[in-house]
Amino acid sequence: AQTIHQWPVAEIKAVGSPLSLGCTIKGKSSPNLYWYWQATGGTLQQLFYSITVGQVESVVQLNLSASRPKDDQFILSTEKLLLSHSGFYLCAWIQGAETLYFGSGTRLTVL
Amino acid sequence: GEKVEQHESTLSVREGDSAVINCTYTDTASSYFPWYKQEAGKSLHFVIDIRSNVDRKQSQRLTVLLDKKAKRFSLHITATQPEDSAIYFCAASRNSNNRIFFGDGTQLVVKP
Repeated sequence: AQTIHQWPVAEIKAVGSPLSLGCTIKGKSSPNLYWYWQATGGTLQQLFYSITVGQVESVVQLNLSASRPKDDQFILSTEKLLLSHSGFYLCAWIQGAETLYFGSGTRLTVL
Repeated sequence: GEKVEQHESTLSVREGDSAVINCTYTDTASSYFPWYKQEAGKSLHFVIDIRSNVDRKQSQRLTVLLDKKAKRFSLHITATQPEDSAIYFCAASRNSNNRIFFGDGTQLVVKP
């Protein structure tokens, strides 16, 4: 069975500090991987997706970047956090053609 | 691009009643319509989906209806239970381009 793990579970960071969020999927070869952002109480915004190692497509950047260093790993990062980066970050992978399966998320608070 | 709208931001029902959540979409090329549930403080999980080659799909107490002509789809929950209380998101996508568009979510409250 496939499992998806996100880290950290939560972060409290200062404005201007760097950030790195991670996502690992096990039990699935060459998954399509996605990063979503959910503002508090808000809708989901697709940020990035990747269909293979080393390849990332940006949907909405929000001063963030993403990388796929390994087949089972997807990283979201920025060198300088903004207040507007606060929210819930979700990594997901695709089953079959279309069904998204989400990780448990990382709650980010920027102060 | 595609725009998915959920018409009810909040829906309150009594336990045992039915609930209906409605969504519309704009892209006629969208062919896949999943629904996700988000319980308070948690991530999303998949509940049911429908593809454009059918107009109805049922799974236990959940039924999804799709009206391609009106570009509308809906989630029907029968015999609601308190554990159905959550935010429900509808979404739409084409097969091919890795873009999945979500509605803004509907907060369903099931009152005992």
